[in-house]
Amino acid sequence: AQSVTQLGSHVSVSEGALVLLRCNYSSSVPPYLFWYVQYPNQGLQLLLKYTSAATLVKGINGFEAEFKKSETSFHLTKPSAHMSDAAEYFCAVSGEVEGKLIFGQGTELSVKP
Amino acid sequence: KAGVTQTPRYLIKTRGQQVTLSCSPISGHRSVSWYQQTPGQGLQFLFEYFSETQRNKGNFPGRFSGRQFSNSRSEMNVSTLELGDSALYLCASSPLFSKGTEAFFGQGTRLTVV
Repeated sequence: AQSVTQLGSHVSVSEGALVLLRCNYSSSVPPYLFWYVQYPNQGLQLLLKYTSAATLVKGINGFEAEFKKSETSFHLTKPSAHMSDAAEYFCAVSGEVEGKLIFGQGTELSVKP
Repeated sequence: KAGVTQTPRYLIKTRGQQVTLSCSPISGHRSVSWYQQTPGQGLQFLFEYFSETQRNKGNFPGRFSGRQFSNSRSEMNVSTLELGDSALYLCASSPLFSKGTEAFFGQGTRLTVV
């Protein structure tokens, strides 16, 4: 069965600092991987997705993620944090079953001025 | 293009009652899936519908059910509500029913059971 582990339920960075949110996955089939962001009282917005075309995936709002098969990781990064990046971030995997996303527990990102 | 629309946004129900939540997918999307989000369990898959047929179901009791109409709109129903059913219920639509297709989420319905 597929699963996702997000290391760190809460990450705090200063404005302008590097953002690194960690995601490790487990999958018996080639995975499709996603990062979503959720702002308070909102649904989930897709940041980026990996579908095997390229290991480095660029998303919206300056975020990118790199697929590393050897490490079963798909970490999310952004070179310079902005106050508006404060939100909860979810990593998700699919591929074993059509249409079903398996989510990690989420990482809440705080950005200090 | 309008996004995924969920109604109502907020609901307060009493234990033992039943509730129906509605989801209108993005125009042209034929796949609709539902997720439950709670602080303790996180995001959990409830079920998915494609072409009016339930294709996948998560590990939830039979009190949770759903359906999809010919216009791809979907409803989910929870009967005999329990306090533990309090959650944010998210609906997502996808253009295809396939592995790797991204899901577009609505803003959710916040259900509070008292």
